Amino acid sequence: QKEVEQNSGPLSVPEGAIASLNCTYSDRGSQSFFWYRQYSGKSPELIMFIYSNGDKEDGRFTAQLNKASQYVSLLIRDSQPSDSATYLCAVTGSNYKLTFGKGTLLTVNP
Amino acid sequence: EAEVAQSPRYKITEKSQAVAFWCDPISGHATLYWYRQILGQGPELLVQFQDESVVDDSQLPKDRFSAERLKGVDSTLKIQPAELGDSAMYLCASTPSAGHSYEQYFGPGTRLTVT
Repeated sequence: QKEVEQNSGPLSVPEGAIASLNCTYSDRGSQSFFWYRQYSGKSPELIMFIYSNGDKEDGRFTAQLNKASQYVSLLIRDSQPSDSATYLCAVTGSNYKLTFGKGTLLTVNP
Repeated sequence: EAEVAQSPRYKITEKSQAVAFWCDPISGHATLYWYRQILGQGPELLVQFQDESVVDDSQLPKDRFSAERLKGVDSTLKIQPAELGDSAMYLCASTPSAGHSYEQYFGPGTRLTVT
């Protein structure tokens, strides 16, 4: 059973702080890694993807991938109340199938 | 900006009734995915189409669920009969083709409530 694990949270951070979201995966053949943001009652929205080891930055978001440790993370700098949502980690395994974690609920307090 | 379209957005049905959902992928996208997301969980793949062919339906409860994509464009997911445990968000996504490097973008989803 290929799995993607995330802390369910909730993760609570003050406005302006850095939020750090973590994800581990079990399939060593995984090649693509995605972070989705999902507001309550809405569909998931793709915010970051990463394919290679290292860091990838897009605005306030940084995705970090370590394939040796089977670990991917998302950092949100200068967190805003509008960032409050559930963040889903998703991994494409060796069979091209996208597997999601259960998500981490992030709350940014004004 | 091209988007995945889904309808209806909300559906309330009684147990044992039939229900159907429709998805229109981004124009030109050959691969279409149906997911189910139960509250508090991540989306789970139900079925994947490449053009009009099913390439993965291993998690589709085939005794009550069916899916089709007759002309390789839009798709319909049907449940008959609906059960209380089918209450969930049903999501559709599409990509140009299957592969690791394609990002999946979701439609707005259909929220199903079975009473």
